[in-house]
Amino acid sequence: QSVLTQPPSASGTPGQRVTISCSGSSSNIGSNYVYWYQQLPGTAPKLLIYRNNQRPSGVPDRFSGSKSGTSASLAISGLRSEDEADYYCAAWDDSLSGPDVVFGGGTKLTVL
Amino acid sequence: QVQLVQSGAEVKKPGASVKVSCKASGYTFTSYGISWVRQAPGQGLEWMGWISAYNGNTNYAQKLQGRVTMTTDTSTSTAYMELRSLRSDDTAVYYCARDPVVVVPAAMAYFDYWGQGTLVTVSS
Repeated sequence: QSVLTQPPSASGTPGQRVTISCSGSSSNIGSNYVYWYQQLPGTAPKLLIYRNNQRPSGVPDRFSGSKSGTSASLAISGLRSEDEADYYCAAWDDSLSGPDVVFGGGTKLTVL
Repeated sequence: QVQLVQSGAEVKKPGASVKVSCKASGYTFTSYGISWVRQAPGQGLEWMGWISAYNGNTNYAQKLQGRVTMTTDTSTSTAYMELRSLRSDDTAVYYCARDPVVVVPAAMAYFDYWGQGTLVTVSS
């Protein structure tokens, strides 16, 4: 059971726009930045979005992030076949049980 | 270019310990921390903890407190993660990742470079 909640799957056709949601609580998303990672099959995760909506150098502007309250979203526009991957949201969690980095359970994106 | 190169796959029996290494290159090792993240087969990512390569400060995930130890060797720019009392549910790919948090734990989940991963299999 992940602390951050993501839909297990999402899909779209080439050129479409898809969004992936990430729901948390006041101790994580509600009070800290959200990060997004892309994991292509058989590879290590790659940082996609940091501080809610910032893209590292080299990440196409087709990828965008947003946050509102205790939820966040990753949007991918102009969907391409190479976007087929698992996507994870992450955030720092200030809970009383101990500050930790927490991840969502991941969303498998299929490009139809 | 920044690289994190991890040690090879391990097979361990329940109750044993494993120590995974992560050799960094292409940046000043002591100007960053290292976080460790694991991924069980077919499952999501789980953060295990962080170590400062500057002063050795650590912050371990609550779930793993008492079983995990993270260390660094600044002379070889290498980070280590040791996990003890292994159980079958510790079977996973273990990743190290560069972390810009340098001195004390901070409210971030920013991992910009990752190792290739080390598969640890726990089986009798």
